[in-house]
Amino acid sequence: AQKVTQAQTEISVVEKEDVTLDCVYETRDTTYYLFWYKQPPSGELVFLIRRNSFDEQNEISGRYSWNFQKSTSSFNFTITASQVVDSAVYFCALGNFGNEKLTFGTGTRLTIIP
Amino acid sequence: AAGVIQSPRHLIKEKRETATLKCYPIPRHDTVYWYQQGPGQDPQFLISFYEKMQSDKGSIPDRFSAQQFSDYHSELNMSSLELGDSALYFCASSHPSGPNTGELFFGEGSRLTVL
Repeated sequence: AQKVTQAQTEISVVEKEDVTLDCVYETRDTTYYLFWYKQPPSGELVFLIRRNSFDEQNEISGRYSWNFQKSTSSFNFTITASQVVDSAVYFCALGNFGNEKLTFGTGTRLTIIP
Repeated sequence: AAGVIQSPRHLIKEKRETATLKCYPIPRHDTVYWYQQGPGQDPQFLISFYEKMQSDKGSIPDRFSAQQFSDYHSELNMSSLELGDSALYFCASSHPSGPNTGELFFGEGSRLTVL
């Protein structure tokens, strides 16, 4: 069975601080996808990033960066110089090749304090 | 670009009533997924369809049914509604062989409140 664990239920940081959201996953598949989604108070799920299991290259996109380590089954997400608009619930998710059904983690509620 | 369209965005029903949610996938997407997200919970997979056939089934109650039509839109029918059915229902679509293989595109969700 697949499982995604986001141990941090809630995080609060002061604006402009850096913050890292942790994600650990379990799967028996050798090929898979990992995702991060943002869910602001308005409720929609906003796609942030997708990584393939065979591509461990880390990625930076503006203030966002992702650290994928297959050896530890982790896919952590860092926001640099956080802003109030980053306040949201962030979900890590795991998907299969050939079947886009996703298994979500329980989410981390991030609050950026002005 | 066109996104996944869900309707209605908000729906209020009484216990034991029936509700129907609709989902219009991105054009040329042939796969539709339904997810249920209870208050403070993560989205849980309900059911999916590929080319109008059910392709996978998750934790969908027997009171719920769904189908995908010839134009690829999908409907989720919920009968004998219970208070616990109050949730945000997401539809997502994908094109398994398209350039974004492996990515689900989510709609904005339909919020169902059962009183």
